[in-house]
Amino acid sequence: DTAVSQTPKYLVTQMGNDKSIKCEQNLGHDTMYWYKQDSKKFLKIMFSYNNKELIINETVPNRFSPKSPDKAHLNLHINSLELGDSAVYFCASSLTGAGDTEAFFGQGTRLTVV
Amino acid sequence: AQSVTQLGSHVSVSEGALVLLRCNYSSSVPPYLFWYVQYPNQGLQLLLKYTSAATLVKGINGFEAEFKKSETSFHLTKPSAHMSDAAEYFCAVSGSGGSNYKLTFGKGTLLTVNP
Repeated sequence: DTAVSQTPKYLVTQMGNDKSIKCEQNLGHDTMYWYKQDSKKFLKIMFSYNNKELIINETVPNRFSPKSPDKAHLNLHINSLELGDSAVYFCASSLTGAGDTEAFFGQGTRLTVV
Repeated sequence: AQSVTQLGSHVSVSEGALVLLRCNYSSSVPPYLFWYVQYPNQGLQLLLKYTSAATLVKGINGFEAEFKKSETSFHLTKPSAHMSDAAEYFCAVSGSGGSNYKLTFGKGTLLTVNP
């Protein structure tokens, strides 16, 4: 059983389209995250949710809208996709939102905007 | 505010040689420090973490790291490299309280292991 699973693994789409990435964790964790990894492998946090509540929103364009229907799921919807949105998006979860807890990462979704 | 600097974007070693990956951090609060490994086309996996207990931390796959407050460093070492260690390694810092509840990553160091 995969602890943190994301779908789809690959996503190729045209500029201007709207797309969603889904994430589910079966670890019973309270906190979930979205990270973006750019072409130079740099990882940056986008959002953090704790028990369905938004905790961190790191100056991400409002075309990106996370949604957490329950604490096991955190989806990412992206409107009006741009070329610069091409990246690998990682979902992660941790037991709590405390700074000393380990984050468990999904396999990533490689988004390519053409 | 917190940040991480990884010295050397690419480190190449021979199989059996010492691995040393460097990480320096900056944090306005006592830091929690992590090393993650990313194999090609995979997510990140925790190698080890420092959370203010012992300054020498042992992790998986024979890796260890030492927290040195005076040098603001958290370098990762392994006595003898194996081919399977080839991967991207990320150092990360987090802190306690408020907006510090997040991982801030370094830019990564690609480790290649030569036979």
